[in-house]
Amino acid sequence: LAKTTQPISMDSYEGQEVNITCSHNNIATNDYITWYQQFPSQGPRFIIQGYKTKVTNEVASLFIPADRKSSTLSLPRVSLSDTAVYYCLVGARLAQRFGAGTRLTVKP
Amino acid sequence: NAGVTQTPKFQVLKTGQSMTLQCAQDMNHNSMYWYRQDPGMGLRLIYYSASEGTTDKGEVPNGYNVSRLNKREFSLRLESAAPSQTSVYFCASRGAEGNQPQHFGDGTRLSIL
Repeated sequence: LAKTTQPISMDSYEGQEVNITCSHNNIATNDYITWYQQFPSQGPRFIIQGYKTKVTNEVASLFIPADRKSSTLSLPRVSLSDTAVYYCLVGARLAQRFGAGTRLTVKP
Repeated sequence: NAGVTQTPKFQVLKTGQSMTLQCAQDMNHNSMYWYRQDPGMGLRLIYYSASEGTTDKGEVPNGYNVSRLNKREFSLRLESAAPSQTSVYFCASRGAEGNQPQHFGDGTRLSIL
């Protein structure tokens, strides 16, 4: 089972780019990597998912190196409303593992 | 457009009491999940149901039972609540095609005294 490790917290300022890295050394061949955002008193919300190389959507990019043992969520030009906890998930179904979450605080 | 609905939102129990947490999804998803979320530990899988009629234990199943009543509903039961089960419980569902992401409810905050 993939063990996922991510930083406990990060601080940033409005307008900066934020990169959050998740380590998953035991990732299985078929595992996808998914990132979620969670606000207080709400459930996690899907941000982005990828298998290898780079994936980009309207809110974020996901970078996955060739060995797939880590992944980096990139949030461009963050705002105060991006203050939240970000979770990395590796795998699916019974073999999945969430990271403990990274609390991102965006300051004015 | 409800998505995943969990009831109740809050509950306080006494040690030894029983309770069932309800979850329903309206997205016609096959897979459903129950998680608990504790400070510093992320989300840990309690039970998983790949389809109606099937359930599997996850990482932390002790003290819990589940029922996949039909395709829409997946309930979690605490038969004899313990203070260690104080947590926030999330239900999620996922479609069967490809590697679709999970959709989460807004959780049930459960305190056991």
